[in-house]
Amino acid sequence: SAVISQKPSRDICQRGTSLTIQCQVDSQVTMMFWYRQQPGQSLTLIATANQGSEATYESGFVIDKFPISRPNLTFSTLTVSNMSPEDSSIYLCSVRTADSYEQYFGPGTRLTVT
Amino acid sequence: DAKTTQPPSMDCAEGRAANLPCNHSTISGNEYVYWYRQIHSQGPQYIIHGLKNNETNEMASLIITEDRKSSTLILPHATLRDTAVYYCIVRPSRGGSNYKLTFGKGTLLTVNP
Repeated sequence: SAVISQKPSRDICQRGTSLTIQCQVDSQVTMMFWYRQQPGQSLTLIATANQGSEATYESGFVIDKFPISRPNLTFSTLTVSNMSPEDSSIYLCSVRTADSYEQYFGPGTRLTVT
Repeated sequence: DAKTTQPPSMDCAEGRAANLPCNHSTISGNEYVYWYRQIHSQGPQYIIHGLKNNETNEMASLIITEDRKSSTLILPHATLRDTAVYYCIVRPSRGGSNYKLTFGKGTLLTVNP
């Protein structure tokens, strides 16, 4: 299994600012993903974080709004840029290893934008 | 990707078996059925997966119909801590580009004392 930690666990931010969320895994993983869960909704995949190259974004999500970095096999960051109240969500990091069918999720970062 | 249909909510008495259905009538031959659950304010947790045979682990059993168009997740002795949203997801086998987990709305299971 993989143990995932996220920082911060929660934050309250002002409109127009940016927040960077960190995801740290306790072992090397092949795939890292970022999801968003808006209040009362299911999870939506934002992007796949690729090591050493640009992330692969899902429809409706763009790099300028959600820049992602993945410098190595155990760490990734997601930035929520120029925030608005509509960005208030839980942001979750998720990973897969090459030899596992399972996908593991971090505890999430609860973001509130005022 | 194949889509799934689940009831929005279900109730179960503590200690009884919880049977959560899922329809996936357009599932392809190489697609697995996965179940995850999300307890309030936590990240989703993997439960079980299967291709065409029934599967059992320490958490649950997965029954897949012979035509693979539906499945049932069984929690044999539900406890209050099993109250969560349960997601049924179909996904191709590992490898290739279709490795993403796509979440639907899931079933909110409430276990009552």
